[in-house]
Amino acid sequence: AQSVTQPDIHITVSEGASLELRCNYSYGATPYLFWYVQSPGQGLQLLLKYFSGDTLVQGIKGFEAEFKRSQSSFNLRKPSVHWSDAAEYFCAVGAANFGNEKLTFGTGTRLTIIP
Amino acid sequence: GAGVSQSPSNKVTEKGKDVELRCDPISGHTALYWYRQSLGQGLEFLIYFQGNSAPDKSGLPSDRFSAERTGGSVSTLTIQRTQQEDSAVYLCASSPFGTGAVKDYEQYFGPGTRLTVT
Repeated sequence: AQSVTQPDIHITVSEGASLELRCNYSYGATPYLFWYVQSPGQGLQLLLKYFSGDTLVQGIKGFEAEFKRSQSSFNLRKPSVHWSDAAEYFCAVGAANFGNEKLTFGTGTRLTIIP
Repeated sequence: GAGVSQSPSNKVTEKGKDVELRCDPISGHTALYWYRQSLGQGLEFLIYFQGNSAPDKSGLPSDRFSAERTGGSVSTLTIQRTQQEDSAVYLCASSPFGTGAVKDYEQYFGPGTRLTVT
């Protein structure tokens, strides 16, 4: 069974500073990896996904993530955060096994932006 | 196009009462998921409907929880004899299924139903 760890419960970043949110997964084969964002009172929105190929993936809102197999990581990055990026971020992993598309989510990282 | 919708958006109920939460998935999406998000917690998987297959109920926390999906579209999550620990946001998501493509994994979420049990 797959699992996801997001070691940072809460991160505070100054507006304009760079951001990196950590995600480590556990899965015996090549996983499918996702980052979702949840703004206050909203559902989850897909930011980006990794299925195969280039290990650096670009997403919406200027986010990117890098899949590192050797570290079992899929960290989310943004070079310069905006106040509107304040939200909860969830990493998720899926088994690359069609017919079993259930995702396992991490516990989330809450991002606070300060002026 | 229309996204995933859920109703009601908020529900306050007394302990011991039954509640029904509704989810309308994106048209054409044949996979549907229910999750529970408690305060400060991640997403807890509850149940997964996948096409015409038997649902994966492995995440339901007790037999007070049940869900059905009628006509392969709308789903209802029912909680019987609600308890205070059932207070949470219940999220529904849908995704395409059976295309054999990786987009089957992309889940689209509704805004959730906030359930408060008093």
